[in-house]
Amino acid sequence: AQSVTQPDIHITVSEGASLELRCNYSYGATPYLFWYVQSPGQGLQLLLKYFSGDTLVQGIKGFEAEFKRSQSSFNLRKPSVHWSDAAEYFCAVALSGNTPLVFGKGTRLSVIA
Amino acid sequence: SQTIHQWPATLVQPVGSPLSLECTVEGTSNPNLYWYRQAAGRGLQLLFYSVGIGQISSEVPQNLSASRPQDRQFILSSKKLLLSDSGFYLCAWSTGLAGKTTGELFFGEGSRLTVL
Repeated sequence: AQSVTQPDIHITVSEGASLELRCNYSYGATPYLFWYVQSPGQGLQLLLKYFSGDTLVQGIKGFEAEFKRSQSSFNLRKPSVHWSDAAEYFCAVALSGNTPLVFGKGTRLSVIA
Repeated sequence: SQTIHQWPATLVQPVGSPLSLECTVEGTSNPNLYWYRQAAGRGLQLLFYSVGIGQISSEVPQNLSASRPQDRQFILSSKKLLLSDSGFYLCAWSTGLAGKTTGELFFGEGSRLTVL
């Protein structure tokens, strides 16, 4: 069965510093890949997605992610973090566009001044 | 544009009481519908999904059930709640099989259930 691993439960970064959140998946083929963000007590908002083409994808709020097939990874990056980026981030994968998403356990991001 | 509504937003229920959480989607037809549960430190767990009226797939054994009485309505129910049912429940939709989709889910705002 496909699985998603987000190795970092909690990350703290300074405002203005760069950010990388890690995501690894376990699946034989290239799955559909997603990053979502969740503010406390809210639903999830899609940041970006990858299913084919250019392996570096741009998302909303200045985020980007790079798909690396050899590492089975889809890490999320942002060059300069803002205090408003503090939230929980979830990586998700799906076998195809018509199968349910499987989510990682999330990484909580804290931003300090 | 498409919207998803989920209610109630907050619910406090005693053990053994029934549960009904409702979710409706507007602005699209034949969506795939999903119920996820989120517990602290455990990410999102898929509970049920539906690709059409009356078609429900259950992902985990539990005392919860789901129904889809109309194309854009998805209901999560329980006859007798357990303490372990406490959590944050999220409804979501995606483009259905008849439409082109890249699989992304669109989430409601969630329902916080506390069982005492």
